[in-house]
Amino acid sequence: GAGVSQSPSNKVTEKGKDVELRCDPISGHTALYWYRQSLGQGLEFLIYFQGNSAPDKSGLPSDRFSAERTGGSVSTLTIQRTQQEDSAVYLCASSLERGAPYEQYFGPGTRLTVT
Amino acid sequence: GENVEQHPSTLSVQEGDSAVIKCTYSDSASNYFPWYKQELGKRPQLIIDIRSNVGEKKDQRIAVTLNKTAKHFSLHITETQPEDSAVYFCAASFAGGTSYGKLTFGQGTILTVHP
Repeated sequence: GAGVSQSPSNKVTEKGKDVELRCDPISGHTALYWYRQSLGQGLEFLIYFQGNSAPDKSGLPSDRFSAERTGGSVSTLTIQRTQQEDSAVYLCASSLERGAPYEQYFGPGTRLTVT
Repeated sequence: GENVEQHPSTLSVQEGDSAVIKCTYSDSASNYFPWYKQELGKRPQLIIDIRSNVGEKKDQRIAVTLNKTAKHFSLHITETQPEDSAVYFCAASFAGGTSYGKLTFGQGTILTVHP
């Protein structure tokens, strides 16, 4: 079946502009996560959605970052007034359900470059 | 919050040798410990995971051990092959509270297997 997909695969933007990154989770997966991977670094948790529950936003680095998940499926991560330090690969992952730590399946990522 | 330390940062072995990567975690409540393999330019993929109710798990050439008292877990790869060359990430999470499955990752280990 189809895996997690993300778009765009690459995004180059000028400092100060807003960007939107999209994630399509695996069908039927109720949990969705966003992570950020800076060059040569590990993965940093950003935000977590589970069903209709309030999202866990504890990893968002600033109020310029926000995310939403419509209809329990597609998610959009928005970065406002981008800064050069926002340059990274943004990875989305989804998993089966709450209540047990099932495997998280990752998308291919969006490489964001802020010039 | 949880903090995961991973060592070594780079590991170089000859084909056929064994490789061991170690991680320590800080939150004694963590109860799920996956390992991900990330090849260059690709998405992270789960290779093995362990839950806190077991001390060891093996899958062909890969094994993971967990010591909850010492709060450390290790990845063991035997009979390494060049295709094992990749970046390996350990992670920890707690299946409970308000954020099931949120992963905290180590910084990664670059494994190079020389033919």
